[in-house]
Amino acid sequence: EVQLVQSGGGLVQPGGSLRLSCEASGLTFTGYRMNWVRQAPGKGLEWVAHISSSSSTIYYADSVKGRFTISRDNAKNSLYLQMNNLRVEDTAIYYCARDYYGDLNCFDYWGQGALVTVSS
Amino acid sequence: SSELAQDPALSVALGQTVSITCQGGSLRHYPASWYQQKPGQAPLLVIYDQDNRPSGIPDRFSGSRSGTTASLTIAGAQAEDEADYYCQSRDTSGYQTAIFGGGTKLTVL
Repeated sequence: EVQLVQSGGGLVQPGGSLRLSCEASGLTFTGYRMNWVRQAPGKGLEWVAHISSSSSTIYYADSVKGRFTISRDNAKNSLYLQMNNLRVEDTAIYYCARDYYGDLNCFDYWGQGALVTVSS
Repeated sequence: SSELAQDPALSVALGQTVSITCQGGSLRHYPASWYQQKPGQAPLLVIYDQDNRPSGIPDRFSGSRSGTTASLTIAGAQAEDEADYYCQSRDTSGYQTAIFGGGTKLTVL
């Protein structure tokens, strides 16, 4: 059974930092590109970041560029999102998702989500 | 193009057919994917590559495209199909980004 299990959400003050993790099992993690997608309370889905299987190619949404860093450790079957200088508008549920074709167009497996709340 | 437009809400009578549309210039170049999201749950892929269903998705779900409009059709809607539905494509303006429609809340009456 394919599983993406997330951890690391929580409450943080504006300007603070948080690191999200996503551990994969039941799939060949090293062969797939991965993404982070977020959803603000009561809002729609927003793509955040993408990383290739070897970490050689990385893309970010403009809203997080320069503040968030996506990374992965293939030996641990894990994906990460380091979030720095957090803003109130970063409050959302963050999902990790596998990129089926690797072209930002089809995310076939998703984690359960991790709630990040940025508030003073 | 970097936007996908969806109707915010639709309703369908139990057992009837409904189509959810997604309009955007990128759809002329890239096939759409569709996701179903129920309250408190992660999105679930229901259609990819315009008209393909992942394993386990009922065959009442189908996808199509005409020009710059993609459609998700549910033939014989069931109560459990009540959910938010999002289309997805990718940006064609030169930026490497994934884009989502704003979502359609489907109510099954």
